[in-house]
Amino acid sequence: QVQLQPSGPGLVKPSQTLSLTCAISGDSVSSNSASWNWIRQSPSRGLEWLGRTYYRSKWYYDYAVFVQSRISINPDTSKNQFSLQLNSVTSDDTGVYYCTREDMSGYTDYWGQGTLVTVSS
Amino acid sequence: DIVMTQSPDSLAVSLGERATINCKSSQSVLSSSNNKNYLTWYQQKPGQPPKLLIYWASTRESGVPDRFSGSGSGSDFTLTISSLQAEDVAVYYCQQYHITPYTFGQGTTLEIK
Repeated sequence: QVQLQPSGPGLVKPSQTLSLTCAISGDSVSSNSASWNWIRQSPSRGLEWLGRTYYRSKWYYDYAVFVQSRISINPDTSKNQFSLQLNSVTSDDTGVYYCTREDMSGYTDYWGQGTLVTVSS
Repeated sequence: DIVMTQSPDSLAVSLGERATINCKSSQSVLSSSNNKNYLTWYQQKPGQPPKLLIYWASTRESGVPDRFSGSGSGSDFTLTISSLQAEDVAVYYCQQYHITPYTFGQGTTLEIK
């Protein structure tokens, strides 16, 4: 059974960097049959896919265009986890952030519990 | 981006009755290479992450009760709950995973009448 445990600050100041980590158990971040995603949810914007990383002989990264200039998702093979960094945050970035596993077929089958991040001074 | 539109936004159904939720995509999510529809349905209860119910538009995830079924192809899809139970009260989302960015419908809130 795959489990995903996010961690990170729940409060970030405007213009600063949002940083979250997702620890994986029951699978490997280096798996050739999974991808590791960040999705967020807010009342105003609904569910939004932010991006993913995956390993297929080398590391790949996909990001949503609307955050592409500000986002970085990185694997940490030594700790079997992956991270999200979102720069220059505004109040629009407030929401619940989920780390998820995407099956090799493309559908998301496991979700972490979600962590609320508030952008406020 | 593929826009996913669900209808209705909210739905009230009596216990034991059928509930039907629709999802339309702005372009087809049917792959010509494998003839599969890249469409999932999720159920979300308050304070919880979404839970996978259906993938490939009509394949039920392991452990999901058989009163949940998915149908449709191309751009039009339906989630049906054949006999509504109290524990089915939730928000339901469709999502396409055909092309990134993966996109979600706005959600349908299902309540008991």
